[in-house]
Amino acid sequence: DVKVTQSSRYLVKRTGEKVFLECVQDMDHENMFWYRQDPGLGLRLIYFSYDVKMKEKGDIPEGYSVSREKKERFSLILESASTNQTSMYLCASSFGGYSVTEAFFGQGTRLTVV
Amino acid sequence: QKEVEQNSGPLSVPEGAIASLNCTYSDRGSQSFFWYRQYSGKSPELIMFIYSNGDKEDGRFTAQLNKASQYVSLLIRDSQPSDSATYLCAVNIGDMRFGAGTRLTVKP
Repeated sequence: DVKVTQSSRYLVKRTGEKVFLECVQDMDHENMFWYRQDPGLGLRLIYFSYDVKMKEKGDIPEGYSVSREKKERFSLILESASTNQTSMYLCASSFGGYSVTEAFFGQGTRLTVV
Repeated sequence: QKEVEQNSGPLSVPEGAIASLNCTYSDRGSQSFFWYRQYSGKSPELIMFIYSNGDKEDGRFTAQLNKASQYVSLLIRDSQPSDSATYLCAVNIGDMRFGAGTRLTVKP
């Protein structure tokens, strides 16, 4: 079974804090993704990584950065958390390229910034 | 223009009816298309994928793809209350882009 594991299910942080969300996959997938999900807006891509140390901006990268030092681990960093970053964050992974390959999701992290 | 657009719903159908969910995409280079189901409070899970023009059937689900019209749909036959969920259309354009989702309610 493919497993994508996010480090926290629920997180509460204060405005201005630096926040780390961690994601680990065990399927040797090349691609890893960070999305945020807000009511009515669906899943919006924040960042995408197709290989170790490689990253591409998604639709909403502002206020976020990412790190991929190992193939199995993809971290999302909120440099200075703000209340408008309160959201559900979903990590996903998939095999690479344009092949027919589904994305497998972690359980999600509900982040509240107060 | 967003890469993937879905009819926003919500969509409500009676039990046993056919539910029809629609999606359009903007990138003509898109190769593969996915339908995910997401129950409230849960992560999305794959229902079907399609990459060739035409229909693809899997049990009560049929995905339809028309690349000329840049259109993907999902039909759910004999809808059940357990099908009540949000359905997300996704397109592989190198990365994976999702629509906003359509909330489906199947009423007993």
